[in-house]
Amino acid sequence: GENVEQHPSTLSVQEGDSAVIKCTYSDSASNYFPWYKQELGKRPQLIIDIRSNVGEKKDQRIAVTLNKTAKHFSLHITETQPEDSAVYFCAATPAYSGGGADGLTFGKGTHLIIQP
Amino acid sequence: EAQVTQNPRYLITVTGKKLTVTCSQNMNHEYMSWYRQDPGLGLRQIYYSMNVEVTDKGDVPEGYKVSRKEKRNFPLILESPSPNQTSLYFCASSFGNLAGGQETQYFGPGTRLLVL
Repeated sequence: GENVEQHPSTLSVQEGDSAVIKCTYSDSASNYFPWYKQELGKRPQLIIDIRSNVGEKKDQRIAVTLNKTAKHFSLHITETQPEDSAVYFCAATPAYSGGGADGLTFGKGTHLIIQP
Repeated sequence: EAQVTQNPRYLITVTGKKLTVTCSQNMNHEYMSWYRQDPGLGLRQIYYSMNVEVTDKGDVPEGYKVSRKEKRNFPLILESPSPNQTSLYFCASSFGNLAGGQETQYFGPGTRLLVL
C-alpha cells in the first residue's frame, strides 16, 4: 500500500518568514495530494490540494508543488502569521486495483510554530 | 448546512463493554471512512465504505466493525474495546472517488474515546 513520509515533525519560524513542509510518497499511481490543517482540539480542515495533472497550485499565501518523477510534494506558506500555528498533514490517495476507495494515507504531521 | 456529525464526542468506557460511535452526513456522499488519530502516528484509516452495503478494511481494522445500511450513516462498532483503542476517532465523507480526482473529503468533529 501507499506510504507517506512527512518532514519535519516540528517547524518553528519567525512571524513573516516562509515555512516549507515536505512529503514523499511511495505509490507512483497516487494522483491526489491534499494538505490538511488541524488546530488544537479541532478536526482536520482541507487547506489546499493538488492533482497529478498539475505541478503547482497557489491560493493566496499557501502553495503546493508536486514532483511526480521524484514522488514528492511540498506545502509552502509565505508571510506566516500567528494563526498559521497548527499541525499540518499531507496525504495521498492509495492506488486500489479494484478501484473506488476514497481513503487517504496520511503523513505523521508537522507541528508548525509561528514565533512572534 | 452541509456537515458530518459524530456522536458521542467524548466517551469513557471499560474494557470489554461494547460501544458504537455514530457518523452521519447530509451531503449525499457515497464514500465514508473512519480514521483514528494517535500522537506521533497521524491519521490511520480503519475502515471505508464506497456505498451502501460496500465496506472494506483500511490500515488498522483489527478490533473494529462497521456497517453501511443507509447512505448517510456509517457507524463504528467496538465489540470488545481494549485500552489500546483509546484514541481520537474521525469520520469522513466525500462525494466521489478521490483517486478519480473528483471530490474533497470532509471530516466530522471527532470522538475522543478512553478505554479503561
